[in-house]
Amino acid sequence: QKEVEQNSGPLSVPEGAIASLNCTYSDRGSQSFFWYRQYSGKSPELIMFIYSNGDKEDGRFTAQLNKASQYVSLLIRDSQPSDSATYLCAVRGLSGTYKYIFGTGTRLKVLA
Amino acid sequence: DTEVTQTPKHLVMGMTNKKSLKCEQHMGHRAMYWYKQKAKKPPELMFVYSYEKLSINESVPSRFSPECPNSSLLNLHLHALQPEDSALYLCASSQVWGGGQPQHFGDGTRLSIL
Repeated sequence: QKEVEQNSGPLSVPEGAIASLNCTYSDRGSQSFFWYRQYSGKSPELIMFIYSNGDKEDGRFTAQLNKASQYVSLLIRDSQPSDSATYLCAVRGLSGTYKYIFGTGTRLKVLA
Repeated sequence: DTEVTQTPKHLVMGMTNKKSLKCEQHMGHRAMYWYKQKAKKPPELMFVYSYEKLSINESVPSRFSPECPNSSLLNLHLHALQPEDSALYLCASSQVWGGGQPQHFGDGTRLSIL
């Protein structure tokens, strides 16, 4: 089982819709969770981070964390073509060496 | 603009060359990282520096040599690289190592080995 799993996609949504991106993780002791957006050929850009169970909202983005079920999700409301990118989930656990473990990313395509 | 600055943005080198990648941050962060990223893959951790000391080396070949001369600078010295080392090299920083704060990435250096 991979430490951090994401569906590779592509996830296609129409412009204006809600995009829902999901991530599961295996280390039950994980404490810090991050979402990065990466455009093709560019570096990862931090979108959201969340530490506690529940929802955290920032503009059109909402991160949701459920530690009991070991998943974290990112909702993008009113999706725009400019949101088309790969979204990387990263998890920092307590076990081992505190490394940030990245998922393989979900490619999102917002159709105009 | 990112707060982590990497130079150069692009580098083409032969297998016998010696070159260096540079990274600078002025956010007061005390943890700095080097990652390697191949196309359509996630970033792959290479090195972690905490308070200017090497904390993690992910069994990276010795042809990659990191250096952290002060709290703001991180270098990656390259020598005798192989074609498979062609990739995007990313520098990142965070407040401290082990604190769980977000990592902030630079724009990366696109490295091509001829």
